[in-house]
Parts: sequence; C-alpha cells; structure tokens
Amino acid sequence: ETGVTQTPRHLVMGMTNKKSLKCEQHLGHNAMYWYKQSAKKPLELMFVYSLEERVENNSVPSRFSPECPNSSHLFLHLHTLQPEDSALYLCASSQTLSGIGVYGYTFGSGTRLTVV
Amino acid sequence: AQSVSQHNHHVILSEAASLELGCNYSYGGTVNLFWYVQYPGQHLQLLLKYFSGDPLVKGIKGFEAEFIKSKFSFNLRKPSVQWSDTAEYFCAVNAMGGADGLTFGKGTHLIIQP
Repeated sequence: ETGVTQTPRHLVMGMTNKKSLKCEQHLGHNAMYWYKQSAKKPLELMFVYSLEERVENNSVPSRFSPECPNSSHLFLHLHTLQPEDSALYLCASSQTLSGIGVYGYTFGSGTRLTVV
Repeated sequence: AQSVSQHNHHVILSEAASLELGCNYSYGGTVNLFWYVQYPGQHLQLLLKYFSGDPLVKGIKGFEAEFIKSKFSFNLRKPSVQWSDTAEYFCAVNAMGGADGLTFGKGTHLIIQP
C-alpha cells in the first residue's frame, strides 16, 4: 500500500454510462492530483487540487469532472466517455504543490478504465 | 510550459552491467526533479528526488542521479544492475512552487537479462 488508495481497480463502462473514480490518501497531504496514463504517451496531468481548491486546468474535456470534498478524498466523475479515454487513471498526493517533502508525490495503483 | 525528454525508450542490459538513463528538461527557472520506477503490475514508486543542495542524489536500491544545471539534465545511474531492476523508469519535473504538478517524460523500459 502506498498511502493513496484508488477504487475501483478496474472499470468497464459504456459510452452512455456515468461512473466515478475514487481516491483517498492517508498521508495528511495538502495537494491531490489526477493523471492519465495511456500507452506510448507520457503521463498527463488532468487536475490539481490544493487545500481542496481546484487549480484551473483547461485542457481536459468536460466529460471528466473532478470533485474534492475534503483534503483526503478526490473523485473523478465520468460521463459520455469515448473509447480513446480508455487508460490507467492515477491519483497522487503531495505535501505541497512543489512536491517538497519526504515522499515527493505519492501515487496510487490506479484504475484501469475501459470504455466500450 | 515545461517538458521532459528521456532519450532511451527501450534499454536492454545484462546483469551486473552499469546503467545510465538520460533525462533532459526544458524550463528556465528553478525546478524540482524526480525519478520514478514502475515495476510490472505495480504502482509508481519514488526512486529519488532533487530539490536543492548536493547535485548528486542517492536514492533507493542503489540508484543515484546527478543534476547538471548547465545541461538541464538529471541522469539516472546504477553501477551494477540486477534482474529485479527490470521496470519502466520515469523522469519528472516540477517548476518550483508551480501549480502544474509533475511533468513526466515518456519513460524508459529497462529489461535486464539474467
């Protein structure tokens, strides 16, 4: 266990479904992140939250909607996804936005999403 | 915007060989630098990080990296690799104090042959 727990581990959804990914961190960190890991592409930062405030990110389609109800929990709400959205979605946390701290950025094991 | 370049996408070595994986970044300001490893089927794990001070940093499992500011580089090294080092290695950068999280390179797939 990394201290960052993601559920579910695997998710298959249709293009008309609505689902949510959950992330929980037990490290007392102040910042949380969603990343997308696709084959043959670098990890892409999707969203950043610092002290529960979202740091604006304009490059992510609106079919992805993040929610951070408190400093320990982060959700990614999904609706009307496309097959190209199939990927591994990683959650991470850090003490500060710059990653300064003993553990740097700590990653969860990810949710493997398949859109059919 | 910052970017990270990892020069070797696939590296195959024999056990006991020395390893050096290249990483260059493009950002003119102060940066924090990281190397992560992802073993097959596992989560990303922090190998080592550089924030400030001695540019030669030592991490877990015998890995080290050297920050050369003039070359915008942060290469990863290990003097003698083991079969268990087979994994994907990612270099990542964060602009000091920036809200951009980590920018990753594309990764290097390292295979160690017994």
